[in-house]
Amino acid sequence: DAGVIQSPRHEVTEMGQEVTLRCKPISGHDYLFWYRQTMMRGLELLIYFNNNVPIDDSGMPEDRFSAKMPNASFSTLKIQPSEPRDSAVYFCASSPVGGELDTEAFFGQGTRLTVV
Amino acid sequence: KQEVTQIPAALSVPEGENLVLNCSFTDSAIYNLQWFRQDPGKGLTSLLLIQSSQREQTSGRLNASLDKSSGRSTLYIAASQPGDSATYLCAVSRDDKIIFGKGTRLHILP
Repeated sequence: DAGVIQSPRHEVTEMGQEVTLRCKPISGHDYLFWYRQTMMRGLELLIYFNNNVPIDDSGMPEDRFSAKMPNASFSTLKIQPSEPRDSAVYFCASSPVGGELDTEAFFGQGTRLTVV
Repeated sequence: KQEVTQIPAALSVPEGENLVLNCSFTDSAIYNLQWFRQDPGKGLTSLLLIQSSQREQTSGRLNASLDKSSGRSTLYIAASQPGDSATYLCAVSRDDKIIFGKGTRLHILP
């Protein structure tokens, strides 16, 4: 398996534009997570899905952020409208079925978003 | 290449004891170090974030220290409780890369 695949790797957009980040989890993994990383706040969990169903979206900062998982192999994180303070690296991660203490989350390479 | 190592891989301690989890990294050029908790089947929950210019952070019964020059961090948990049972991960970050250790599985015995 190629691992968790995110696209694009880099995105530069103007304030007010819609931004869509994409993620393909590892096949067979039931959990998918979206994280945001900034220098000041580190890595923050935004939302995660189990079997395509959003379980916890308490980390989503504002209504401008939304995430979907239409099927087991694809998820999107959308920001509309984007603002300069949304500039960060966004990570997607997936993990296999839970229930084991040593379940490991596999991270994608991240999307570096810059809103100007 | 940055490598993050956590020792021990697993730890069981009786309830009420104080304990220390260790994290070491090979490249001291980091922006920050973060400790996470992961419960089974859950995402990562951030516990403490230490910027590279800081030496420690405290939150409740948790205290994390950072010695960047020696490439080490510790997470101290005071008066452990059964609810502290989880996997604890440390991660170092620089640019758009975050490198996680493999974690320490902690089991607090009632």
